[in-house]
Amino acid sequence: GENVEQHPSTLSVQEGDSAVIKCTYSDSASNYFPWYKQELGKGPQLIIDIRSNVGEKKDQRIAVTLNKTAKHFSLHITETQPEDSAVYFCAASLYTGNQFYFGTGTSLTVIP
Amino acid sequence: KAGVTQTPRYLIKTRGQQVTLSCSPISGHRSVSWYQQTPGQGLQFLFEYFSETQRNKGNFPGRFSGRQFSNSRSEMNVSTLELGDSALYLCASSLKENSPLHFGNGTRLTVT
Repeated sequence: GENVEQHPSTLSVQEGDSAVIKCTYSDSASNYFPWYKQELGKGPQLIIDIRSNVGEKKDQRIAVTLNKTAKHFSLHITETQPEDSAVYFCAASLYTGNQFYFGTGTSLTVIP
Repeated sequence: KAGVTQTPRYLIKTRGQQVTLSCSPISGHRSVSWYQQTPGQGLQFLFEYFSETQRNKGNFPGRFSGRQFSNSRSEMNVSTLELGDSALYLCASSLKENSPLHFGNGTRLTVT
């Protein structure tokens, strides 16, 4: 089955700096890659996603890039704010079925 | 639109007992998935239901089962509880295959 690896496991940045989280996947048939943010006591919330026919997608301060050849995708958060502090998960899904494979999470801390 | 609702939020059970968790998906969503979240293993896929049929099942023992009702509400059951079943159980609904998962806030199960 699919295997998703995520790095780093923890990340601390100063407010206003950028944060980058990277994920790799193993199954070239995976074609949908969402990113989730999980705050304490809550379920994961979708923040951005990308499909395999697109190389980059942006939504205000958040962007995701996908390199299908290398089988990796990254989350970029610019101008970080304290409210960005949370655990972030990447995920991959194959076209058939609705089963998602998640990375192990990155705990992001934004220092004011 | 109301989000995914999971009940109860917290459960404490004893080894050997069984437990039933409930999930109400977003209105109109016919796919319901269940995930187990633990600090060591991250988010692990349990199973997915669509129109009352189980379409996918993860690598969990038969003690873990689920069902979906005609109104798309879903329940999962764990029988003969073990200490290792202590986890956050997350339910997610989606409109169709390969589309964003919308998570509830989970049920925190503690087995003593």
